[in-house]
Amino acid sequence: GDSVTQMEGPVTLSEEAFLTINCTYTATGYPSLFWYVQYPGEGLQLLLKATKADDKGSNKGFEATYRKETTSFHLEKGSVQVSDSAVYFCALNGGATNKLIFGTGTLLAVQP
Amino acid sequence: EAGVTQSPTHLIKTRGQQATLRCSPISGHTSVYWYQQALGLGLQFLLWYDEGEERNRGNFPPRFSGRQFPNYSSELNVNALELEDSALYLCASSPQGQSKETQYFGPGTRLLVL
Repeated sequence: GDSVTQMEGPVTLSEEAFLTINCTYTATGYPSLFWYVQYPGEGLQLLLKATKADDKGSNKGFEATYRKETTSFHLEKGSVQVSDSAVYFCALNGGATNKLIFGTGTLLAVQP
Repeated sequence: EAGVTQSPTHLIKTRGQQATLRCSPISGHTSVYWYQQALGLGLQFLLWYDEGEERNRGNFPPRFSGRQFPNYSSELNVNALELEDSALYLCASSPQGQSKETQYFGPGTRLLVL
């Protein structure tokens, strides 16, 4: 079945460092891909999405490109802030069942 | 625009009791989804309702059930509570049509079963 694998955390960075969180997927069709962020004690917020190959999603300085050839959707940000500290989830929606399949989440801790 | 709302924010029950969780979708959204986020188990899909009908169900026992009302709000009922039902329950909603795949989440209900 469909699945999402993302890098284990925690990821600890200094403020203004470059961020990459790796995400790869397995899907039988052509899924839509998402990054969600969860701040402590809160629900999930949609960060960005891409619905077809080579699409780039972007929001709040974060970017991710849908790479069909490598089945990847890595999250990047050029300069992280302390306020970016959260858990980041990569997810796919395969369409037929319309359910989101999530990775295990990556905890990002940004130190001043 | 108001987001997805859920109530209550916290719920404490004892084993064997029933819990009812509520969700109101974003205005104009017709689909509601329920997910469970339990420690060590990640985010698991529970249920999808659309236009009042159950469209899909995750790998959970029948004591997890729900419904969607004519105003598109939804309830999740968990009967015969077990300790391992303790989790954050997240509701999400999505619009009709091609954008249905994009789900927007509420803040969740944290259920503790003692």
